Amino acid sequence: GAVVSQHPSWVICKSGTSVKIECRSLDFQATTMFWYRQFPKQSLMLMATSNEGSKATYEQGVEKDKFLINHASLTLSTLTVTSAHPEDSSFYICSARDRISGSNTGELFFGEGSRLTVL
Amino acid sequence: KQEVTQIPAALSVPEGENLVLNCSFTDSAIYNLQWFRQDPGKGLTSLLLIQSSQREQTSGRLNASLDKSSGRSTLYIAASQPGDSATYLCAVNQGGKLIFGQGTELSVKP
Repeated sequence: GAVVSQHPSWVICKSGTSVKIECRSLDFQATTMFWYRQFPKQSLMLMATSNEGSKATYEQGVEKDKFLINHASLTLSTLTVTSAHPEDSSFYICSARDRISGSNTGELFFGEGSRLTVL
Repeated sequence: KQEVTQIPAALSVPEGENLVLNCSFTDSAIYNLQWFRQDPGKGLTSLLLIQSSQREQTSGRLNASLDKSSGRSTLYIAASQPGDSATYLCAVNQGGKLIFGQGTELSVKP
């Protein structure tokens, strides 16, 4: 089956530093990847859509200068939380759709998530 | 704006029971609907995907139905086991994006 890998799985950083999270599709190519955040006991909230070779599309209320997304290849998207603060502490999950399965209707596969704690 | 609601928020059953989880959505213009399982502190595992033209999908002890016109989906779990304990999330695909419900936290007691 399709595998999506995230790294790191957990990270602790000091307030004011930047943290990069990687999302890789291991056995398929993904022109589109999605980044979500999840607070404890809550559902997943879509942050942005990452498009290979072009700028990401952010959901309303998500600061694009705060959450930098780069999708430089068909198998890798990165999310950088810039100048992190304690309120950015959350569980970040990425997902990817196989390029072959179609633009919008294919199944989405999810990574294992990355837990960020900002002190 | 699409809203996805899952009922109940939490459910506790004894081992062996059959159970039904409910998911409703407000806008029927969807491509498909997916059911996921999430264990504590983990990512999502896809359970079943139902395309908008389909009525149901089955995988082992799991059966998911979709009634797009009424905006409802159900996940039926047969002969529940303690290993089924997890949070179950439904998500609708609208415009290529998944919109999630809040989840149902299931606990199956031995």
